[in-house]
Amino acid sequence: GIQVEQSPPDLILQEGANSTLRCNFSDSVNNLQWFHQNPWGQLINLFYIPSGTKQNGRLSATTVATERYSLLYISSSQTTDSGVYFCAVEVGGTSYGKLTFGQGTILTVHP
Amino acid sequence: SAVISQKPSRDICQRGTSLTIQCQVDSQVTMMFWYRQQPGQSLTLIATANQGSEATYESGFVIDKFPISRPNLTFSTLTVSNMSPEDSSIYLCSVEGLAGVSYNEQFFGPGTRLTVL
Repeated sequence: GIQVEQSPPDLILQEGANSTLRCNFSDSVNNLQWFHQNPWGQLINLFYIPSGTKQNGRLSATTVATERYSLLYISSSQTTDSGVYFCAVEVGGTSYGKLTFGQGTILTVHP
Repeated sequence: SAVISQKPSRDICQRGTSLTIQCQVDSQVTMMFWYRQQPGQSLTLIATANQGSEATYESGFVIDKFPISRPNLTFSTLTVSNMSPEDSSIYLCSVEGLAGVSYNEQFFGPGTRLTVL
C-alpha cells in the first residue's frame, strides 16, 4: 500500500514564529487532505489539496503531485495552533475512499 | 457544512462487554467510514459502511469483532465486541460526498473515546 511520511515528528515554537510541515507519499493520489487534531481529539479539516496551492488566513498548503509531496505552512503561530497535524491521502481505484494517514507532526507553540 | 455527531462521546467499559457507537449526519452522504486511533498513534481505517449491504473491512479487522450497520444515507453504527484493554482507542466516523465540497473530501465526527478496564 501507499506510504505516507510526515516530518518533522515534533516541532516546538515560540508564538509568532513560522513553520513548514512536510508530507511525502509513495504513489499517485487523487485526494490529499491536511487535518489539525485538537487536544480534545477533534479532527479539523484544514485543506483539501490533491494538487496546487491554497491559502486560508495564516495557513497555506502546496502539493506538488508530480514529485509526491505536500507542504503546510503556518505563519505567525499562536498557542491555539498546538496539536497534531495529519496528512492523509487516497489512492483511488480499489482503494476508493480509503484515507491513509501519516504519523503526524506534534506542534507545540509556547507563549 | 454538515454536522456529524457521535454517541457516546466517551465511555469506560469492562472487558468482555460490547459497546455500540452511533454516527449521525444531518444530510445524506454517499460514503461513511469508521477509523480507529490507538493512544499516541495515527488513524487507521477499520471499514467502509455500505448502505444496505455488508461493510467492507480492511486487513486486520473482522466483522465478528467490529460489526457495522448502515441502514440509510445519514446513519451508521459500529459495535466493538468482546472488548479487551487493547481496544481502548478513539473511534471516529467520517463521511464523503457532502454537497458543496469536492466529491471525495472527508469530514470527521468528534470521535468516541473508549477506555476498557
